[in-house]
Parts: sequence; structure tokens; C-alpha cells
Amino acid sequence: DGGITQSPKYLFRKEGQNVTLSCEQNLNHDAMYWYRQDPGQGLRLIYYSQIVNDFQKGDIAEGYSVSREKKESFPLTVTSAQKNPTAFYLCASSTTGQRNQPQHFGDGTRLSIL
Amino acid sequence: AQTVTQSQPEMSVQEAETVTLSCTYDTSESDYYLFWYKQPPSRQMILVIRQEAYKQQNATENRFSVNFQKAAKSFSLKISDSQLGDAAMYFCAYSPDMRFGAGTRLTVKP
Repeated sequence: DGGITQSPKYLFRKEGQNVTLSCEQNLNHDAMYWYRQDPGQGLRLIYYSQIVNDFQKGDIAEGYSVSREKKESFPLTVTSAQKNPTAFYLCASSTTGQRNQPQHFGDGTRLSIL
Repeated sequence: AQTVTQSQPEMSVQEAETVTLSCTYDTSESDYYLFWYKQPPSRQMILVIRQEAYKQQNATENRFSVNFQKAAKSFSLKISDSQLGDAAMYFCAYSPDMRFGAGTRLTVKP
């Protein structure tokens, strides 16, 4: 079945440590997105990519980095510069980056600080 | 910047009855799309319905329909014949910026 796979489901970070969240899709979608979800705040866009080897910052990119070396993969690194990383992270993809395209979401990764 | 506001943090409906979830947004654009997504306890977001700003006709998907008032920048979701499986968080979203509201938690009472 086609879909988006996020791993791991739960992740713990120590102070000063970088961690990478995985996102893989087999939907042959061009565009991919990373969101952060905090209680009471809905989803906020971290980064998005409309094509391989290209990505743009969203509203809250500080302290995060991404890469898009393959069409099916869009990993997110939470760096030590992100002082409040505890949140639920959702990866999504869409056929293209066109505004009318709905997004398909993964099951999410919950990141916590040790 | 475009903002999306969901003024109802929680809503409750009796099974088989109808409920309406509110969403307002702020934009100066004329060409955009609006979406409603559902997030059940499993946490996976699922598309419920979408509306193109240029279309005056309200979108409908089975028991789900919207009331799109472009001048008022309002985009409410109506769920008819509510079912227990409709219980979830519902998010309104604006594209192309992909801005989401804070969500409305819907409880369905048997």
C-alpha cells in the first residue's frame, strides 16, 4: 500500500544532541512537508520541498534542518539550537506543490527531552 | 500574514444529529484553497473536504459539507448524521501557505 512512513514513533533527545526524524513516501509525490504540532496550536510549517535538492523554510525553521536528496525521502534534523523541541512532528506529501493539492500525512513522531 | 481561527476548542454532538464547526481566516489573496482535516486518536491526519475560493458552490462529501462565505472569510464544516467514528480533532487549513487553525475537538455521544 502507498503511504508515508515516519520513524521512529517515539524519540528522546539529550541536551545538546542533534536527532534526525525519518520520513519516507512511496506515493511518487513531488512535494513534502514537515510540521510541528503543539497542544492548542494546531500545525506549524517547519520546512517544505517541492522538488528534489530544493527546499524552503516555513514559519518556524530556526533550529531545524532538512535535506531532499531523493524524491521519496525528506529527513528532518532537530539541532541543539532548537531549545524547545518537545512536540509531535508530522510529515506530509502532496502530488505537487500546487495550492489545490491535499496533503497526505504520516503517523507522526513524538520527540521528548530526557 | 494569513491566519486561520477556529473559535471552538471543543464541541459535542449526539449520535445521528448534526454539528457545525466554525473556521474563519484572514487573507488578501483571491486565489486560494481551504481544507478540513480530521485527526482521530491514532494521530494520522485525514482529508475531509476541500473548497476552491473561486467556486461559489459549497463542497460536499457524503455526510460532510461546508458553508463557504468568501466575503465574510468563513469556512464552516457541517457533519450530518454524526457517527461515533467522527470523534476526532478537526483542523481547518488555508493553502497555499498551509496555515492551520488550532483545532476543534469533537465528541460524539451515543
